[in-house]
Amino acid sequence: DTGVSQDPRHKITKRGQNVTFRCDPISEHNRLYWYRQTLGQGPEFLTYFQNEAQLEKSRLLSDRFSAERPKGSFSTLEIQRTEQGDSAMYLCASSLGFRGAGEGNEQFFGPGTRLTVL
Amino acid sequence: AQSVAQPEDQVNVAEGNPLTVKCTYSVSGNPYLFWYVQYPNRGLQFLLKYITGDNLVKGSYGFEAEFNKSQTSFHLKKPSALVSDSALYFCAVRESSYGGSQGNLIFGKGTKLSVKP
Repeated sequence: DTGVSQDPRHKITKRGQNVTFRCDPISEHNRLYWYRQTLGQGPEFLTYFQNEAQLEKSRLLSDRFSAERPKGSFSTLEIQRTEQGDSAMYLCASSLGFRGAGEGNEQFFGPGTRLTVL
Repeated sequence: AQSVAQPEDQVNVAEGNPLTVKCTYSVSGNPYLFWYVQYPNRGLQFLLKYITGDNLVKGSYGFEAEFNKSQTSFHLKKPSALVSDSALYFCAVRESSYGGSQGNLIFGKGTKLSVKP
C-alpha cells in the first residue's frame, strides 16, 4: 500500500499521560499536514511541514502539542499531559507542492488515529 | 477569513435519482475548492477539485461539481445515486494567492448522504 499510513489506529489513555502518533506520508510527497476531527465536525488544521521545516501552526496547537518531521519523511505528533478535550481523530495528510506551484494539488489523507482520553 | 458552509447536515436520496450536496465558501482571493468523501472508520478520500478553467469539474465515481463564482458555491452532483454513495461528504477551500496560507484546507462540517434502495 503506497498511501498515507498512521500508527496507532486507536489510542486510549488516561488524563495526564503523554501520547505520540506517527504518520508516514506518500514517499514522494514533500508536504505533510496534521488535522484534528471531532464528532460532527470537519477536520481542523493543526500544523504543516514542507520537507523537515514546520512552516505553519494553528492556534489550536497549544504548547502541549509538538510535531516533528526530522528527516522530511515520517512525522510524529506528541500530546503532553493529555486532557479529555484532546479526544478526537487525528488525521495526517500529504501532498506534493512547491511555493507558487502545485498549490492546488490535493492532499491525501491517512486513516487517522482515534484518541480517547479517560 | 476563509470559511466553508455546508447548509445541510443530511441529504436523503432514492437510488437512481440525482443528488446534490451543497457548499458555499468565503475567501478573500481566488479559491481552490475540493470535495472529499469519508466512509466509516476510514480517512478522507479525494473526489474532485476546482483550480481554474472550466466551471464544471468531473471527479471519481461519477461525481461532478460546478463552480459558481457569483454565488460563491461549489455544489457536488451526481446524475444517478447509488446506495454505495452513502457516506459523509466534505467541501474544503484554500486561498490561491501566493501570499496566503501555504498549508491548510478549511473544511465544512460535512453532509451525510443517505441513499436508499
